[in-house]
Amino acid sequence: EVQLVESGGALVQPGTSLRLTCEASGFTFDDHAMNWFRLIPGKGLEWVSGINWNSGNIAYVDSVKGRFTISRDNAKNSLYLQMNSLRVEDTALYLCAKGLYSMTTLTAFDSWGRGTLVTVSS
Amino acid sequence: IVMTQSPATLSVSPGERATLSCRSSQTISTNLAWYQQKPGQGPRLLIYGAVARATGVPARFSGSGSGTEFTLTISSLQSEDFAVYYCQEYNNWPPYTFGQGTRLEIK
Repeated sequence: EVQLVESGGALVQPGTSLRLTCEASGFTFDDHAMNWFRLIPGKGLEWVSGINWNSGNIAYVDSVKGRFTISRDNAKNSLYLQMNSLRVEDTALYLCAKGLYSMTTLTAFDSWGRGTLVTVSS
Repeated sequence: IVMTQSPATLSVSPGERATLSCRSSQTISTNLAWYQQKPGQGPRLLIYGAVARATGVPARFSGSGSGTEFTLTISSLQSEDFAVYYCQEYNNWPPYTFGQGTRLEIK
């Protein structure tokens, strides 16, 4: 059974940092691109960042470029999101997801975690 | 690419049919997925490739369309189907783009 478990969310002040972790199990982690998404109440789902299987292809939504860094450790079956210079508008439930298709970034997402809540407020 | 879902809210009685629409601003072939979102849970993949049901998804869920116009149909609504539904394109990356969602509520 595929499992994705996010952690690291917290209530923080603007300008501070957080590191989110997604621990994966039940599938061959290094065969799949992995992505972070966020769910904002009243606004819906937004893709945040993605990384291909060998970390050779990485991308971010424009609003987080230069502030967030995605990474993965295939030996630990883990995905990370380093979030710096956090803003109030980064407040959301952050979820990681596994691509349906292996070895490609052009995919739907068949497994999702339950998310970790990030609240940025002064 | 901009994904536009309609309606924003759909009120339907249990046992009736629900039809949800998704339009893309550019052609995306059949690189479209539909998800169901319930509070406290991650999204559940329902449909990929515009028409293929994901593993374990009941046959009452069906997808259609290609190019820029897509539809998710739920043939006979069950109580557990009332949720928010999102479409997502994956024709190009980055980024992935979602529609704003359709809330399916009990009439």
